[in-house]
Amino acid sequence: GAVVSQHPSWVICKSGTSVKIECRSLDFQATTMFWYRQFPKQSLMLMATSNEGSKATYEQGVEKDKFLINHASLTLSTLTVTSAHPEDSSFYICSARDLLSGEISEQFFGPGTRLTVL
Amino acid sequence: GQNIDQPTEMTATEGAIVQINCTYQTSGFNGLFWYQQHAGEAPTFLSYNVLDGLEEKGRFSSFLSRSKGYSYLLLKELQMKDSASYLCAALNSNYQLIWGAGTKLIIKP
Repeated sequence: GAVVSQHPSWVICKSGTSVKIECRSLDFQATTMFWYRQFPKQSLMLMATSNEGSKATYEQGVEKDKFLINHASLTLSTLTVTSAHPEDSSFYICSARDLLSGEISEQFFGPGTRLTVL
Repeated sequence: GQNIDQPTEMTATEGAIVQINCTYQTSGFNGLFWYQQHAGEAPTFLSYNVLDGLEEKGRFSSFLSRSKGYSYLLLKELQMKDSASYLCAALNSNYQLIWGAGTKLIIKP
């Protein structure tokens, strides 16, 4: 199956700093990648849809100036949490759809990044 | 509005069978997915149904009734490693995945 990687796997940072998370599709091309956040014992919450070569589409309530998304190529999307605060501590997961499989296809998930803001 | 309902938690015995139900209401429908998520890990794909009926894949089967807005995931011959959360997600007409809150399945020996 298709593989999606995320880096870093976990990060601890001080309040006020920015953290960049990378999401890569390793063996397929993805025009669309998705960024999710998951708090403990809760389900996935879609934050934004990242489209290669264009601006990301953010879900209601997600601050686009705080969560910067860049989808620079068909295999890489980045999420930058700017001026992180303790309430941003969460499990961030990206997913991607295979370009060739179209829109009705499974999403392949990265392993997730656990962010802890002190 | 769009909504996915599934039980919060279920308990079953090793070797037994368990059925996890999911009902959905979405703006349009392009299929239903089931994912498995172990604690601290990302979800992994289990099944996709877009037509009515049962899809069998080894110990796991998934059923869909579009007229009833209903699906279930059936797990047979339960193993301890099946302890996980099971997420139901429906693909709407805009090809957005609408996620349920997940069902935590606890397997007891």
